[in-house]
Amino acid sequence: QVQLVQSGTEVKEPGASVKVSCKASGYSFTDYYMHWVRQAPGQGLEWMAWINPDSGTNYAQKFQGWVTVTRDTSISTAYMELRRLKSDDTAVYYCARGLAGSSPGFEHWGQGTLVTVSS
Amino acid sequence: QSALTQPASVSGSPGQSITISCTGTSSDVGTYNYVSWYQQYPGKAPKLMIYDVSNRPSGVSNRFSGSKSGNTASLAISGLQAEDEADYYCSSYTSSSTRVFGGGTKLTVL
Repeated sequence: QVQLVQSGTEVKEPGASVKVSCKASGYSFTDYYMHWVRQAPGQGLEWMAWINPDSGTNYAQKFQGWVTVTRDTSISTAYMELRRLKSDDTAVYYCARGLAGSSPGFEHWGQGTLVTVSS
Repeated sequence: QSALTQPASVSGSPGQSITISCTGTSSDVGTYNYVSWYQQYPGKAPKLMIYDVSNRPSGVSNRFSGSKSGNTASLAISGLQAEDEADYYCSSYTSSSTRVFGGGTKLTVL
């Protein structure tokens, strides 16, 4: 079965960077989009970026220049790095695998990684 | 890219039907048949309920259905059950090949 297992909770100071990982199993890692979505405490979902099967990337305008998504196909793991952290970047960050074919939804989700930004 | 517009809350009694709307623009919902819906319980990851406007993934109850008219998509839930009480989010593909979510709707089963 498809599984996305994310790295653990992070606590960072303002101005620091964080890199969250998402290890995939149960499917062909290189055949699907991987998305990153975040959710601030008590708030809604916010789409951040995707990396596609060709390792192309696309970012929400808000995150361009300070978020980078990458992947290592040798270990079926995707990464999301967020730089110059601010307190309002405190959120749960999810990876989410796309659907098969051309459908652009999010079929499988990781368990989420809580990133807390605090001095 | 602005968030899609959803009502903050809806409610219904067990057995009733409810509908949640999701309004976008001609750059997203209005042009593409790529609206999806997610159910989220507190502290849990979202779950895909509907994709491509009206398709249900395997395992999702047929009490859930989706539709679209113009710039507005809708999620309908029939025969409300206590377990349907959750937050629901819509999402759409956009003209920039990005994705955008709605603000979320809290469903209360009375």
